[in-house]
Amino acid sequence: GAVVSQHPSRVICKSGTSVKIECRSLDFQATTMFWYRQFPKQSLMLMATSNEGSKATYEQGVEKDKFLINHASLTLSTLTVTSAHPEDSSFYICSASLGQGRASPLHFGNGTRLTVT
Amino acid sequence: EDQVTQSPEALRLQEGESSSLNCSYTVSGLRGLFWYRQDPGKGPEFLFTLYSAGEEKEKERLKATLTKKESFLHITAPKPEDSATYLCAVQVSMNYGGSQGNLIFGKGTKLSVKP
Repeated sequence: GAVVSQHPSRVICKSGTSVKIECRSLDFQATTMFWYRQFPKQSLMLMATSNEGSKATYEQGVEKDKFLINHASLTLSTLTVTSAHPEDSSFYICSASLGQGRASPLHFGNGTRLTVT
Repeated sequence: EDQVTQSPEALRLQEGESSSLNCSYTVSGLRGLFWYRQDPGKGPEFLFTLYSAGEEKEKERLKATLTKKESFLHITAPKPEDSATYLCAVQVSMNYGGSQGNLIFGKGTKLSVKP
C-alpha cells in the first residue's frame, strides 16, 4: 500500500511558460499531500502542504502565485509552476502519508525533473 | 535551530564489506526519525521509522538504530544493488511547531558498492 504516482517524470519548457505536475495516491485517499523540491546535492525542502478542498499552505519563501496548488479530490493534487524561469529548474517531488498514528512516514512519488530553458 | 547532518557524504564499499552511515540530529522535540533510500532520478523510498532512543529496526541487510542524538544505518555484507543515496529525516513534535509533512532532511550519504 501507499503508492504515490507522479506525472510527468521529466519536462522541459521555455522560460515564461507554465507547467503542471500531477500527483496521485493510487491505493489510498490522501486529504493532505506535500510538495517538496530538491536541488542537486541538497536536502529535500518542503514547499507547500496541499489540502483537499481548501487552500494550500506555503512554506516561508515560497511564492504562492508562482507555485499554484490544487487538491480537487482525495487522490489528486496538482502543482503548476507559472511563468517558469531557469532558476525554477529543479526536481519536484510530491508525497502523502497514510496517517495511521504516531509519526507516520511520508511516501513519495518518483519526482518530476523540470528544466526551464 | 532544528537540523539533520549526515556523514559521510559519500561511501565506497566492496561487496561484502559492512559499514555504518550516521545521522546526527538536533531538534526541539523528536516525533520520529525516518530512513529513506533514493535512487538517481527517483523519489525517496521509505525504509524505517524510529520513535525513541534504544529502538532498532531491521530489513534484509539493513539495520537502523536510534540514540538521543543520532541514528545509524548499518549495512551488513552489502551488495551492488544496495548502491543508492540514503536519506535521514526527522519529524519535529507538534508541540514544538512541527507538522506531519514538514520533515527535516539531511543531505544524504551516497553509497557505492563495488562487486
